[in-house]
Amino acid sequence: DADVTQTPRNRITKTGKRIMLECSQTKGHDRMYWYRQDPGLGLQLIYYSFDVKDINKGEISDGYSVSRQAQAKFSLSLESAIPNQTALYFCATSDGTVGTEAFFGQGTRLTVV
Amino acid sequence: QKEVEQNSGPLSVPEGAIASLNCTYSDRGSQSFFWYRQYSGKSPELIMFIYSNGDKEDGRFTAQLNKASQYVSLLIRDSQPSDSATYLCAVNGPGGYNKLIFGAGTRLAVHP
Repeated sequence: DADVTQTPRNRITKTGKRIMLECSQTKGHDRMYWYRQDPGLGLQLIYYSFDVKDINKGEISDGYSVSRQAQAKFSLSLESAIPNQTALYFCATSDGTVGTEAFFGQGTRLTVV
Repeated sequence: QKEVEQNSGPLSVPEGAIASLNCTYSDRGSQSFFWYRQYSGKSPELIMFIYSNGDKEDGRFTAQLNKASQYVSLLIRDSQPSDSATYLCAVNGPGGYNKLIFGAGTRLAVHP
């Protein structure tokens, strides 16, 4: 089983619908992140969480919200999906030590029509 | 100015050559620097990290860091077609959050 699991892997939804992307991890890390990737733009940070009581906005948080239900679970919601939110979404975790890498889930490809 | 900048490429090199990938960053307080490789449609995977000035070698890969110039690079020796991917530079800022900021990536194509 993957250390960082994202569900669903692929999703097509209609404009205006609410959608939730889920992420769970078995690495025991405190820090979790949601990134969005568009072609040619690298990874843009949406939200990140230090622990279950700590939620922080990233570079592009407008139109998104998150919930940290437990140390191991971090969900991303699109309250009212719009077509320009079509992208590849990645969840990542890290333990916060300087130099420690982030571990990524397999990604969720979201299409908003 | 973006926090982490990379040339988008594509960088095309022949098999067996050295590929040189470059990255600059804007935050002088940045502490750790990472190179990730990403194949199309896949998740990024760590190639190397570096946090001290100078060179760090791991097999065919060498990361170079110059904090005074706010510059980090990745050299790939004896490039192989399997190295063809997008290489993402990421910077870990100060503050204890281990917030990774990524560059847009450089697409590398190694041709036989």
